[in-house]
Amino acid sequence: ETGVTQTPRHLVMGMTNKKSLKCEQHLGHNAMYWYKQSAKKPLELMFVYSLEERVENNSVPSRFSPECPNSSHLFLHLHTLQPEDSALYLCASSQRQGLGYTFGSGTRLTVV
Amino acid sequence: GDSVTQMEGPVTLSEEAFLTINCTYTATGYPSLFWYVQYPGEGLQLLLKATKADDKGSNKGFEATYRKETTSFHLEKGSVQVSDSAVYFCALLTQGGSEKLVFGKGTKLTVNP
Repeated sequence: ETGVTQTPRHLVMGMTNKKSLKCEQHLGHNAMYWYKQSAKKPLELMFVYSLEERVENNSVPSRFSPECPNSSHLFLHLHTLQPEDSALYLCASSQRQGLGYTFGSGTRLTVV
Repeated sequence: GDSVTQMEGPVTLSEEAFLTINCTYTATGYPSLFWYVQYPGEGLQLLLKATKADDKGSNKGFEATYRKETTSFHLEKGSVQVSDSAVYFCALLTQGGSEKLVFGKGTKLTVNP
C-alpha cells in the first residue's frame, strides 16, 4: 500500500458506457495527477491538479473528464471511449506540484 | 521540449550479473533526475534520484550518477537478483512554471535464476 489508492483495479467497459475511476490519498499532498500508460509508449501526463484547481490538460480528448472535489480525491470520468483508450491509468500525488510523486497501483481499463 | 531516452528492452540477465540501463535526457536548465521501478501489477515506485550534477543516487544496491557533460543518468547494479525483475523508468522533473515529471518509455528487466 503506497498511500495512494485507486479503484477499481480492473475495468472492462463498452464504448457506449459511462464509468468513473477513483483515486484517493491521505498523505496530505496538495497536487494530484492522472497518467496513461500504454504498451510501448512513455507514460503520458493527462491532467494535473494543484490545490484542487486544474493546472494542466495535455490535449486530452473530452471523453475523459477529471474532477477533483477536494485535495484527497481525484476522479476520471469516462464516456464513449474507444478501444485505443485501453491502458493502465495511474494516479499520483505530491506534496506540491513537481515534488516527490507517490503513485497508486493503477486501474487496468479495457474498452470493448 | 524536455524528453528522456532510455535503452530499449527487454533486458534478460542471469542472477548475480551486472546491470546497466542507459538513460539520456534533453532539457533546459538542470532538471532533477529519477529512476522509478514498476513491479508486475503495481504502480511506479521511486527507486532513486539526483538533484544536481555529479550527485549519485542509490538505493537497494542500485546507483545512478547525474552526468551533466553527457546529459546521462545511467542505472547500474553490481549483482542483480530474481526479485529485481521489473520495468524501470528514467524520468526528469521539468523546471520553471508548471513543473512535471517526464518519463522515458521504460525498460523491462527479467532476471533468471
